[in-house]
Amino acid sequence: AQSVTQPDIHITVSEGASLELRCNYSYGATPYLFWYVQSPGQGLQLLLKYFSGDTLVQGIKGFEAEFKRSQSSFNLRKPSVHWSDAAEYFCAVGAPYNFNKFYFGSGTKLNVKP
Amino acid sequence: GAGVSQSPSNKVTEKGKDVELRCDPISGHTALYWYRQSLGQGLEFLIYFQGNSAPDKSGLPSDRFSAERTGGSVSTLTIQRTQQEDSAVYLCASSPPTTSGGFFGPGTRLTVL
Repeated sequence: AQSVTQPDIHITVSEGASLELRCNYSYGATPYLFWYVQSPGQGLQLLLKYFSGDTLVQGIKGFEAEFKRSQSSFNLRKPSVHWSDAAEYFCAVGAPYNFNKFYFGSGTKLNVKP
Repeated sequence: GAGVSQSPSNKVTEKGKDVELRCDPISGHTALYWYRQSLGQGLEFLIYFQGNSAPDKSGLPSDRFSAERTGGSVSTLTIQRTQQEDSAVYLCASSPPTTSGGFFGPGTRLTVL
């Protein structure tokens, strides 16, 4: 069965510092992988997705993620964090027959220090 | 509107009452999903509609939960005889049939007293 693990519940970084949010998945085949962001009181917004091809994918708001099959990981990165990036981030894997049927990780809350 | 809309935004009900939550997907999106976000369980898939196909109800937690989608557009999630553990944010998402990454609505926060 598909599952997603986000080992970090909370992360605090200083504004301007780099960011990496970890995501590990359990999946039997080539996964469909997603990162979503949820700002306080807001719905989920898609940051980026991976289906196949180039393992480094670019998303909105300056985010990128790298798919590493050998590590079953899909970590989210940003070279320089802005205060507006404070939010909760969710990694998700899509079901093989319905890539919009997501299995979500538990989320990582990002706090940005001035 | 341009996005997925959900109503009400907040709903407070008493244990044992029935509630209906509404989702208006983006026009032309044939796929519609319901998810639930709760403190204890995180984000969980509930049900999926695609066009005229039979819905995937595999995520519904009990037979108190049901959903329908009328005319391939608006969807209603109904919870009968609500329980306190039903308290959560109910999220709806829609997408075109072959596009990945659904567009989520702002959610309905349900509180069962």
